[in-house]
Amino acid sequence: QKEVEQDPGPLSVPEGAIVSLNCTYSNSAFQYFMWYRQYSRKGPELLMYTYSSGNKEDGRFTAQVDKSSKYISLFIRDSQPSDSATYLCAMSPNYGQNFVFGPGTRLSVLP
Amino acid sequence: EAGVAQSPRYKIIEKRQSVAFWCNPISGHATLYWYQQILGQGPKLLIQFQNNGVVDDSQLPKDRFSAERLKGVDSTLKIQPAKLEDSAVYLCASSLVGPQETQYFGPGTRLLVL
Repeated sequence: QKEVEQDPGPLSVPEGAIVSLNCTYSNSAFQYFMWYRQYSRKGPELLMYTYSSGNKEDGRFTAQVDKSSKYISLFIRDSQPSDSATYLCAMSPNYGQNFVFGPGTRLSVLP
Repeated sequence: EAGVAQSPRYKIIEKRQSVAFWCNPISGHATLYWYQQILGQGPKLLIQFQNNGVVDDSQLPKDRFSAERLKGVDSTLKIQPAKLEDSAVYLCASSLVGPQETQYFGPGTRLLVL
């Protein structure tokens, strides 16, 4: 079992749809959870950063962490074609180090 | 604010050759990371520097990979000799040391080993 797993996609949705992206993990020591967006031929950029369990909202994006189930989610409301990218979850047990990334989910939002 | 700079952007070499990548982090960022991203996978951390000291190099294949960060600013990653399985994008990232440990990634160097 890989340490961090994601639905591989690709995922195609119509513009305006609500998108749910998910990751599961096996290491119960993970405490810091991140979501990155990576456009083709670009480096990842941080979207959301959460600590421990709970929800965090930023504009159209909501991140949820359920440590008891070892499950994290990213929701995108009112999805736009510009949201088309690969979404990577990442997590770490320690502040600022030992980051582990998931393999990514490719999302296409169709106009 | 200028982002993380990397060069070259693309490199094609034959197996057993050597190659070097360069990274210039965002000014003032104490922490620098090198990642390897194989096609279809997430980035894998190779090495993390805090200023010019190594924090984590547990996943760096030290028999062929080396990295240095002179004067706590620029960094180079070297592969010698390269293998076919080293074909990947090599990403450099940097971050401040502080309450928000946001990593800023460069565009990456795409390496193809033939």
